[in-house]
Amino acid sequence: DSGVTQTPKHLITATGQRVTLRCSPRSGDLSVYWYQQSLDQGLQFLIQYYNGEERAKGNILERFSAQQFPDLHSELNLSSLELGDSALYFCASSVYPKGRNYEQYFGPGTRLTVT
Amino acid sequence: GQSLEQPSEVTAVEGAIVQINCTYQTSGFYGLSWYQQHDGGAPTFLSYNALDGLEETGRFSSFLSRSDSYGYLLLQELQMKDSASYFCALLIYNQGGKLIFGQGTELSVKP
Repeated sequence: DSGVTQTPKHLITATGQRVTLRCSPRSGDLSVYWYQQSLDQGLQFLIQYYNGEERAKGNILERFSAQQFPDLHSELNLSSLELGDSALYFCASSVYPKGRNYEQYFGPGTRLTVT
Repeated sequence: GQSLEQPSEVTAVEGAIVQINCTYQTSGFYGLSWYQQHDGGAPTFLSYNALDGLEETGRFSSFLSRSDSYGYLLLQELQMKDSASYFCALLIYNQGGKLIFGQGTELSVKP
């Protein structure tokens, strides 16, 4: 158990809908990262938040947005969903900007299925 | 931008040694990490190389050569439980601890 929690574990929704994925980082970690993993694909970096502020961005679609709240939990919002958005979405946390920030702790993921 | 290349699949037998290679292109990075992922589960950290050379952690070792833009993960005394996907990842300069992952190598360990 990494200490990172994600809810829900599974999500099935229809095209055009909007969903919110939730993540709580490990105790003490200020940085949260979101990744998308499609079938048989690597982990695509979406976005990072550090202490409530956006710190780095990847190839995140405009239909996707995220935020980190004062209690450090983070939410990833996916809107106008398309079939191609079906994927595993992982949240990770790290001690960035302190040492060992190359070690990210991943949550169990949310499996999103868009029908 | 950055890119990493890994073989998509590797097969080995129990008790053997296997090497998973990773070549990369980037304009600047702090180091190369390796992660293990079992069947859609959470990726877990294995190893990190900031400097050229070999880092050993039990049965796993990782190597980096910056001049060759190349690294590898070496798994010794393979066990069935080592069957998993292995990802190399670059820790990118000045981007908040951002990791860019390769596409992963699926390792199958046969009895």
